[in-house]
Amino acid sequence: GDSVTQMEGPVTLSEEAFLTINCTYTATGYPSLFWYVQYPGEGLQLLLKATKADDKGSNKGFEATYRKETTSFHLEKGSVQVSDSAVYFCALSRSNTGKLIFGQGTTLQVKP
Amino acid sequence: DGGITQSPKYLFRKEGQNVTLSCEQNLNHDAMYWYRQDPGQGLRLIYYSQIVNDFQKGDIAEGYSVSREKKESFPLTVTSAQKNPTAFYLCASSISYGGNSPLHFGNGTRLTVT
Repeated sequence: GDSVTQMEGPVTLSEEAFLTINCTYTATGYPSLFWYVQYPGEGLQLLLKATKADDKGSNKGFEATYRKETTSFHLEKGSVQVSDSAVYFCALSRSNTGKLIFGQGTTLQVKP
Repeated sequence: DGGITQSPKYLFRKEGQNVTLSCEQNLNHDAMYWYRQDPGQGLRLIYYSQIVNDFQKGDIAEGYSVSREKKESFPLTVTSAQKNPTAFYLCASSISYGGNSPLHFGNGTRLTVT
């Protein structure tokens, strides 16, 4: 069945460091791919999405490119801030089912 | 502002009692969802509803029940049959049930059963 695998956390970085959170997926067909972010004590918010191969989603300095050849959707940011500390979830959805499948989440902690 | 409201934020119950979690949205979305979040396990789908008066089981529906009598409301009941009910519960909605519709989430209800 469809699945999403994220790198294990926690990831601890200093402010202004470069961030990469790896995400790979297994799915038939052409799923849509998403990154959601969860700040402490809150629900999830959509961070960015990509709906077809080679699409790049971007928002708030974060980027991720839909790579079909490597079945990956890695999240990157050039310079993280303390306020980026949160849990990040990679997810996929197939249009014929609408069901969203989440990875297990990666905790990011940014220290000043 | 439009959004999803979950109440209460924290809920405590004794084992053997049923409890109902509230979820209301004013986004005029057709589809609504309930997820359960446990540490290190991501989110798992409990139930979803594509439209009013319709709902479907998700991956872990046993011990839970829902209703969708109004478009804006999708309450979740955690019954005494749910063997491990302590968790963080998240309600979400989307414009429609489909692959490209992003989900909008509420801030969750943390349920503790002792």
